[in-house]
Amino acid sequence: DAGVTQSPTHLIKTRGQHVTLRCSPISGHKSVSWYQQVLGQGPQFIFQYYEKEERGRGNFPDRFSARQFPNYSSELNVNALLLGDSALYLCASSLGANQPQHFGDGTRLSIL
Amino acid sequence: RKEVEQDPGPFNVPEGATVAFNCTYSNSASQSFFWYRQDCRKEPKLLMSVYSSGNEDGRFTAQLNRASQYISLLIRDSKLSDSATYLCVVNGLNSGNTPLVFGKGTRLSVIA
Repeated sequence: DAGVTQSPTHLIKTRGQHVTLRCSPISGHKSVSWYQQVLGQGPQFIFQYYEKEERGRGNFPDRFSARQFPNYSSELNVNALLLGDSALYLCASSLGANQPQHFGDGTRLSIL
Repeated sequence: RKEVEQDPGPFNVPEGATVAFNCTYSNSASQSFFWYRQDCRKEPKLLMSVYSSGNEDGRFTAQLNRASQYISLLIRDSKLSDSATYLCVVNGLNSGNTPLVFGKGTRLSVIA
């Protein structure tokens, strides 16, 4: 069975640009969460979606937005990119909102 | 106080050693607890859930002390392949908008 898949794997952008990251959950999983991980830190929660509705939002600016589609895949959008947005962006899926989460390989975003 | 705090590490141990990681959490309403393992430049992978009665999976034993808000992970007979960063993760039903809170992680290096 396919695990959580994310695309792209790597991305280079410049300040002020916009980026869209994509995630497909494990088949049957209805909850998708997004995390940002900078070097030397644990993942920081950005958003959680369950059954296409936002269930949680972390302490990130409004430049960050996300949505979940009817097939439970999800997109994370970041506008007006800053140098500090450079990080590994991880998507995780789970059966339910409070179940163990399984991570994709992540998208490594570099802002120049 | 940080929501999830872990031993700073790094831990450098010889093969065959027993090593213990500790973790404390601040939200007394937390309901679910996990240990994740993260290899360098890879995504976190679920190692084991932590149950109130304690649980064991091969060489790995996890303990939970709700009164002290303390979680531990014990690795017996360490292998070279155990070298990784171990992330303590807490999930709280009443933790506001943060379904999963990660510690910064503790790095383990097992040396031949």
